[in-house]
Amino acid sequence: DQQVKQNSPSLSVQEGRISILNCDYTNSMFDYFLWYKKYPAEGPTFLISISSIKDKNEDGRFTVFLNKSAKHLSLHIVPSQPGDSAVYFCSGGSEKLVFGKGTKLTVNP
Amino acid sequence: DADVTQTPRNRITKTGKRIMLECSQTKGHDRMYWYRQDPGLGLRLIYYSFDVKDINKGEISDGYSVSRQAQAKFSLSLESAIPNQTALYFCATSDLGAGWGNEQFFGPGTRLTVL
Repeated sequence: DQQVKQNSPSLSVQEGRISILNCDYTNSMFDYFLWYKKYPAEGPTFLISISSIKDKNEDGRFTVFLNKSAKHLSLHIVPSQPGDSAVYFCSGGSEKLVFGKGTKLTVNP
Repeated sequence: DADVTQTPRNRITKTGKRIMLECSQTKGHDRMYWYRQDPGLGLRLIYYSFDVKDINKGEISDGYSVSRQAQAKFSLSLESAIPNQTALYFCATSDLGAGWGNEQFFGPGTRLTVL
């Protein structure tokens, strides 16, 4: 039973446009949600997080939105750059982090 | 220098062999974790440790054991490796703080192949 779902295995966008990565979760006890970015042959790196008491967190080109009633969060990247091409993992948890399966983002020049 | 290192980076072994994957960190973090990544399955937690005397099972601990030798070292062992343990293994660390909201820092991964 997947507690964190990333239903889109891949996403392709043009450079300069917005990338929107979606994530759904089932466990209403999650306190935090974190997005990680992973390049090939490297470990995941932390990108941005949001507490369950907030509905938005912004860091430069990256914004995460949380809709608790819908148990849905999304990561917006504006503007997208070719260097953003990577696999993005959504995760949530209270005592333990649970990760989604990841979405591979490709930003085309 | 990398803050979280894993050795070996790649390993090929045979069914039934004992394997140890090692993780070291220079970040001074108390919390350490072992995950495995399989294609299409994301990252799954195997074991985690909040300090030297604390060991906890994660989502998929069967077939694995761990040892927290020091604050900076956390080893993962496969006592008798089997082919479905072929995966990419990641060690991670985080600082003691406000629960799991603190970011985790990942090592570069160990690619393990069990023939």
